[in-house]
Amino acid sequence: QKEVEQDPGPLSVPEGAIVSLNCTYSNSAFQYFMWYRQYSRKGPELLMYTYSSGNKEDGRFTAQVDKSSKYISLFIRDSQPSDSATYLCAMIYNYGQNFVFGPGTRLSVLP
Amino acid sequence: EAQVTQNPRYLITVTGKKLTVTCSQNMNHEYMSWYRQDPGLGLRQIYYSMNVEVTDKGDVPEGYKVSRKEKRNFPLILESPSPNQTSLYFCASSAYRSNQPQHFGDGTRLSIL
Repeated sequence: QKEVEQDPGPLSVPEGAIVSLNCTYSNSAFQYFMWYRQYSRKGPELLMYTYSSGNKEDGRFTAQVDKSSKYISLFIRDSQPSDSATYLCAMIYNYGQNFVFGPGTRLSVLP
Repeated sequence: EAQVTQNPRYLITVTGKKLTVTCSQNMNHEYMSWYRQDPGLGLRQIYYSMNVEVTDKGDVPEGYKVSRKEKRNFPLILESPSPNQTSLYFCASSAYRSNQPQHFGDGTRLSIL
C-alpha cells in the first residue's frame, strides 16, 4: 500500500461546478497537510496548508482534514477554466524533515 | 520576489556526459531538496539538505550527487547520465524546523539520449 493514495483522474467538470479532490494516507505520523496546484510546464504552487482536523477556507478553496479517517479533501467552488491543472496533496512529518506527495489529480474545467 | 531558480530549464544531452543542474533560493531557507517527476509516479525525492554541509538521500538517490556549500545553492549533479534519468526535475526549499511547506522552482526538463 502506498503511503498516499490519490485518484489520478482525469476529472472533467463544467465551469461553475463544485470540485472535490481527495487523498487518503496510511501513516499516522503525518502532521501537516498541503495542497499544491501544478500547471503544465510549471512547478507546484502552494494552495492550502493546514495542521488540524477540520476545515480551512481561502476564497473559493476549502481544505478539509480528517485525521481519524486519514483522509484529506480539497473543494473548489465556482470552478473556472483557469483552475484546470494537476492538484497534488502533500504531507509533512518528522518535524519538517520529510515530505510525501500524492501522485496528483488532473482536473479540466470546461467553459 | 521570493523564488527558487533552476537552470537550465531544458537540456538534451547524451549518455555519460556529466551535467549539473543549479538551484538557488533567496528566502534564506535551511531546507532544500530535489525531486524528479515522472508520469504515473508523481514527485519522488532524490536528495535533501537540512543545512549547509548536511545532505541525505531521498527515495531515489542512485545516479545522483548533491552538495550544499552555501545556504542558497543546492546543485544536482549527474556524473554519468543514463536514459532512465530522463525526467522533469524540481528543486524546492522550505524553512526547516517550523514544518513549513516547500516552495518549488519551475523545473528542469532533462532528456538523456
